[in-house]
Amino acid sequence: RKEVEQDPGPFNVPEGATVAFNCTYSNSASQSFFWYRQDCRKEPKLLMSVYSSGNEDGRFTAQLNRASQYISLLIRDSKLSDSATYLCVGRGFGNEKLTFGTGTRLTIIP
Amino acid sequence: DADVTQTPRNRITKTGKRIMLECSQTKGHDRMYWYRQDPGLGLRLIYYSFDVKDINKGEISDGYSVSRQAQAKFSLSLESAIPNQTALYFCATSDSTGSSQPQHFGDGTRLSIL
Repeated sequence: RKEVEQDPGPFNVPEGATVAFNCTYSNSASQSFFWYRQDCRKEPKLLMSVYSSGNEDGRFTAQLNRASQYISLLIRDSKLSDSATYLCVGRGFGNEKLTFGTGTRLTIIP
Repeated sequence: DADVTQTPRNRITKTGKRIMLECSQTKGHDRMYWYRQDPGLGLRLIYYSFDVKDINKGEISDGYSVSRQAQAKFSLSLESAIPNQTALYFCATSDSTGSSQPQHFGDGTRLSIL
């Protein structure tokens, strides 16, 4: 089983809709989580960190469920510019190795 | 100017050649990393370094070596390139203060081994 698993998609969503994806992780020692976005043939860029209490940044909301070992990303009022691959990332305490999911591809349709 | 700069951006070379990928950063971070990305496999860690005197193997270090020449520079070498090292390579940096620090990536080097 992969340490971090994501549905690869693709998710094709109409502009303005709300979309959510989950990511599961197998290492219960994982302490820190992030969502990165990656545009085609570009570098991953940090979208947001994920805090235990959940956090929001504009149209984006991230949640962490330690009991069920998953994190989620919710995008409200989706824009065409949200089209990208979203990478779920985890890191264990004191461990500098980040574990990346393979990404979920999202396409926003006009 | 980019905070994390990789050179070259693209490289095509032949099997058996020695190749060096360079990474430099202006973020002042002490930690640097090399990853490769392959379709369907996500990013995998090759090597990482916590400071100039510290080098650590990642999950796929075979066939690669690194050099941390200065805090701001971390280079990746393929001593004798083979076709399955064709991939997109990323350098990343992070600050050492706490495990919650994210990593910041360079633009990537697209490497093709013929």
